[in-house]
Amino acid sequence: EAGVAQSPRYKIIEKRQSVAFWCNPISGHATLYWYQQILGQGPKLLIQFQNNGVVDDSQLPKDRFSAERLKGVDSTLKIQPAKLEDSAVYLCASSPTSGANTGELFFGEGSRLTVL
Amino acid sequence: AQSVSQHNHHVILSEAASLELGCNYSYGGTVNLFWYVQYPGQHLQLLLKYFSGDPLVKGIKGFEAEFIKSKFSFNLRKPSVQWSDTAEYFCAVNDVGFQKLVFGTGTRLLVSP
Repeated sequence: EAGVAQSPRYKIIEKRQSVAFWCNPISGHATLYWYQQILGQGPKLLIQFQNNGVVDDSQLPKDRFSAERLKGVDSTLKIQPAKLEDSAVYLCASSPTSGANTGELFFGEGSRLTVL
Repeated sequence: AQSVSQHNHHVILSEAASLELGCNYSYGGTVNLFWYVQYPGQHLQLLLKYFSGDPLVKGIKGFEAEFIKSKFSFNLRKPSVQWSDTAEYFCAVNDVGFQKLVFGTGTRLLVSP
């Protein structure tokens, strides 16, 4: 079974530039999550999708971050304009149902962003 | 808001030593509890989980965790660690009412051969 795919694995940009990350979840998984993991911290939920609808985006900085999952499959997370504090690993995860209740989120390898 | 505390940020052990990593959470309602592990260069993966029933749960690779409701704790244990257990360990808690999985800050374990 193919895992959660993410790209790019690494990205270096200057502040005020924009960046986009892509995620393809495990086939058939209805729920998709984007987490931000800053060095030395645990993953923090940015946004959760159930199919193509947003379930929770309460911690997404909406002035600069946006995410979509138009067809209920793959998803894109965009940052525009980037700030230095956005340097982090962006993790995508999926689960077949509401993963917070089942507990088993399947994570991708992450996209490491460095903002200079 | 619920929070998860992992007080040991870095742990260094020799092979065959016993391991216990602490995890405490703040929410007093119904919770589901998890430990995730991230081996060097790999993605996060589930180590074990607790929903209900026997408070002592067993996971992969000889790990176990004990849920103590009165102490709001879910500590991870292993009787004898191996070099291959070198990884970062994250405790995570789901408040069933909010259906949001909150992670602790992680504990980096280094096992020396």
